[in-house]
Amino acid sequence: NAGVTQTPKFRVLKTGQSMTLLCAQDMNHEYMYWYRQDPGMGLRLIHYSVGEGTTAKGEVPDGYNVSRLKKQNFLLGLESAAPSQTSVYFCASSTGTGPETQYFGPGTRLLVL
Amino acid sequence: KQEVTQIPAALSVPEGENLVLNCSFTDSAIYNLQWFRQDPGKGLTSLLLIQSSQREQTSGRLNASLDKSSGRSTLYIAASQPGDSATYLCPSKIIFGSGTRLSIRP
Repeated sequence: NAGVTQTPKFRVLKTGQSMTLLCAQDMNHEYMYWYRQDPGMGLRLIHYSVGEGTTAKGEVPDGYNVSRLKKQNFLLGLESAAPSQTSVYFCASSTGTGPETQYFGPGTRLLVL
Repeated sequence: KQEVTQIPAALSVPEGENLVLNCSFTDSAIYNLQWFRQDPGKGLTSLLLIQSSQREQTSGRLNASLDKSSGRSTLYIAASQPGDSATYLCPSKIIFGSGTRLSIRP
């Protein structure tokens, strides 16, 4: 089991460029999440999904879009990157039922110049 | 708005001390609570999960308790070691606080 993996690990973008972050999990989890973490702060939820084909907004969704076309993958897109989106992005997954243990990926560091 | 508050925000102690990290949350409908540690530049590692039917959970030198009625959880670390240095987080479902940054001095 690889658990939760994220691609890429690090990326530098120029303002206005677009990119997609990929999260993959091999635990057959229903729920998947995208968070961002800024220096000295806790994680904030961007978007989440409660199953294949579903997505929902979290606390800070503006400037991001997501898709969950396959159960094991959750994509986070930045259509037009802004310096304010410089952050570390974490993906997580959970079963959605019973004791809700979240499993986190290693993170993607994004720098927008 | 749901919130999680962790006290203290930072803590530096010599090796060997017993520690208490506090977490308070406003969501009274919490089903369970999970404690994580995060090492600098790394992802989150799950330490303990306390289910709503439990009052505490133990793993090695770690013991976590949960009091849903008061909206509080406590993480107790016995005989602290330099390897325990990290930021500790206790999200309430999907709501995270800023964590407690722990430093254990050799």
